Amino acid sequence: SQQGEEDPQALSIQEGENATMNCSYKTSINNLQWYRQNSGRGLVHLILIRSNEREKHSGRLRVTLDTSKKSSSLLITASRAADTASYFCATVTDNNNDMRFGAGTRLTVKP
Amino acid sequence: GAGVSQSPSNKVTEKGKDVELRCDPISGHTALYWYRQRLGQGLEFLIYFQGNSAPDKSGLPSDRFSAERTGESVSTLTIQRTQQEDSAVYLCASSLAWDFYSSHEQYFGPGTRLTVT
Repeated sequence: SQQGEEDPQALSIQEGENATMNCSYKTSINNLQWYRQNSGRGLVHLILIRSNEREKHSGRLRVTLDTSKKSSSLLITASRAADTASYFCATVTDNNNDMRFGAGTRLTVKP
Repeated sequence: GAGVSQSPSNKVTEKGKDVELRCDPISGHTALYWYRQRLGQGLEFLIYFQGNSAPDKSGLPSDRFSAERTGESVSTLTIQRTQQEDSAVYLCASSLAWDFYSSHEQYFGPGTRLTVT
């Protein structure tokens, strides 16, 4: 079953714009991870943020975590057509053997 | 209904031995994925099947790794001449299909914890 819920379900932007995707979850977590899925591939791990962290950066990616609101956001800056994919958040509980994925946000970046 | 099952749940093997991991996806799911998760890290995508075909095997970490799927059902991941760095949890997931415009929900199995000594 899913725990994370991403919104929006679909997002369409122009190349160069920023894309923000949100994830909300229900139970306490050890960490939260963001993944990307392109056509014909499985999930690709993007970034992991632990419950005691508030913000992390990786290249054009910025992830925030607000444990009081049980929510996270993924920001992709200066988007490119190659960023077109589905993006998923996954939560990991404290015992680290239970990973739950949301339904994903489908991002389309138009050239 | 029944979910994705994997066997064995735990496997301890000696370095240099071959291991075979099994995944039984949810009935009717045409897409099947194998991932590896090392301790404290995110999922590492290994290979994906659409039906019995694997369109892209480039995610497999070395030629010691191979996978097959038969009858659009069970899949096996084989690791030959295991090394200590192969120690990880190997996860299998299945989904109805993979299409950019349809549901992407993947149902994960419980994983096989492989320890190479």
